[in-house]
Amino acid sequence: GESVGLHLPTLSVQEGDNSIINCAYSNSASDYFIWYKQESGKGPQFIIDIRSNMDKRQGQRVTVLLNKTVKHLSLQIAATQPGDSAVYFCAESPSGSARQLTFGSGTQLTVLP
Amino acid sequence: DTEVTQTPKHLVMGMTNKKSLKCEQHMGHRAMYWYKQKAKKPPELMFVYSYEKLSINESVPSRFSPECPNSSLLNLHLHALQPEDSALYLCASSRGAGGNTEAFFGQGTRLTVV
Repeated sequence: GESVGLHLPTLSVQEGDNSIINCAYSNSASDYFIWYKQESGKGPQFIIDIRSNMDKRQGQRVTVLLNKTVKHLSLQIAATQPGDSAVYFCAESPSGSARQLTFGSGTQLTVLP
Repeated sequence: DTEVTQTPKHLVMGMTNKKSLKCEQHMGHRAMYWYKQKAKKPPELMFVYSYEKLSINESVPSRFSPECPNSSLLNLHLHALQPEDSALYLCASSRGAGGNTEAFFGQGTRLTVV
C-alpha cells in the first residue's frame, strides 16, 4: 500500500539554530499534508498544513515546503527552542479527508542547550 | 473551546476486565476517530464515526467496541484485552470526514493490560 516515511528518525540541533525535518510520501494522489508535534505523554498537536496546489506555507516560526515532483515534504523551524523538542509526524491524506489520514514514522527532534 | 478531552488519562486493567474509554469535544465537529499508538510508533487509525455513524472499522478485533452516543461523545468499550493491546489510545475529531479536515487530538489514555 501507499506509505508516508521520514528520512531520519532523530535530529539534534543547537538552540537558536534552524531545524529541517523531512518527509517522503509515495501516494501521488495525496492532496493534503499536515505536520503534527507530539510531546512526551501528550497527543499529537497540529502545527501546519498544506494542500497540493501550494508549494510553501508559512506559520509562526514554521514553514512547510512541498515538492510534488519528488514527493517530498519538509518542516522548517526557525530559531529552534527547547520547547520544540518532540516527535514530529507528517501525515498525508488523499482529497484532504481526515478519515484517510496516514502518519509517517516520526522524527525525534532534540534541542541542545 | 478547541479541546478534545479524554478520560481516564491512565488505565490499568486485567485481561478479564471490562472498561471504557471516553472522549468528548464541543467544537461542533461531526467526525470523531479512535487511534492506537504504540511506543515510538505513529498513530494507527482504528475507527471513524461520521455524523454519529460508524463509517470505518480498520479490521479492529471485536474486543474493542466503539460507541458514539451523540455528536460530542465517543466511547471505546474494552473487554478481554490482551497484554499486546497496551498502548496510548487517542481520540480525535474534525469538522467533517470530507475535504480540508484537520484532525484535533486529545491527550490520550495510556492503557496497560496486565
